[in-house]
Amino acid sequence: QQQVKQSPQSLIVQKGGISIINCAYENTAFDYFPWYQQFPGKGPALLIAIRPDVSEKKEGRFTISFNKSAKQFSLHIMDSQPGDSATYFCAASTASGSRLTFGEGTQLTVNP
Amino acid sequence: SQTIHQWPATLVQPVGSPLSLECTVEGTSNPNLYWYRQAAGRGLQLLFYSVGIGQISSEVPQNLSASRPQDRQFILSSKKLLLSDSGFYLCAWRVFGKSREENTFGSGTRLTVV
Repeated sequence: QQQVKQSPQSLIVQKGGISIINCAYENTAFDYFPWYQQFPGKGPALLIAIRPDVSEKKEGRFTISFNKSAKQFSLHIMDSQPGDSATYFCAASTASGSRLTFGEGTQLTVNP
Repeated sequence: SQTIHQWPATLVQPVGSPLSLECTVEGTSNPNLYWYRQAAGRGLQLLFYSVGIGQISSEVPQNLSASRPQDRQFILSSKKLLLSDSGFYLCAWRVFGKSREENTFGSGTRLTVV
């Protein structure tokens, strides 16, 4: 019940295309859903996050879509650029929980 | 601003040797602190987390241990390293609540046990 399942494991997109990464969870007590971006040899960095009181959050080219009834959330990267090539992790936590549960990660490659 | 310092960046240690990785945080008080391990091409495995000085929760039984001697200091240790301890170790801090969420990872330590 604590798992967060992320797909796909890897994704190849052409420059200018839309990258979509999906995550699903089981624990209905989760109420915070962040996405992290990690470049090789670096620690993950918080990219964007959403709480379940909204269905969508947009920051620049990055958008989180949240479907509470389906217990799914996704990251959309519009106009994908080669510099977006990285590993992306979704995560989830509860309001009272002190730990984040991470997905397994998606390796995104944006071809020029 | 909040910063997190983690060192060393890379480390090569022989099997059976001890380990000590240190992480310090600046610019925040009473954060939750975390140690993660990441195998090559894999996800993040939570090893330990701490909600306060001297309070350590272990997520995975192994030959590693953690300590938090000060509010902003988190140490990962081992008495005898195994080959399977090789990986990318990440320290992180987190402050969270209803209206606030901050979470920062360190730059990581690449540990190779030979």
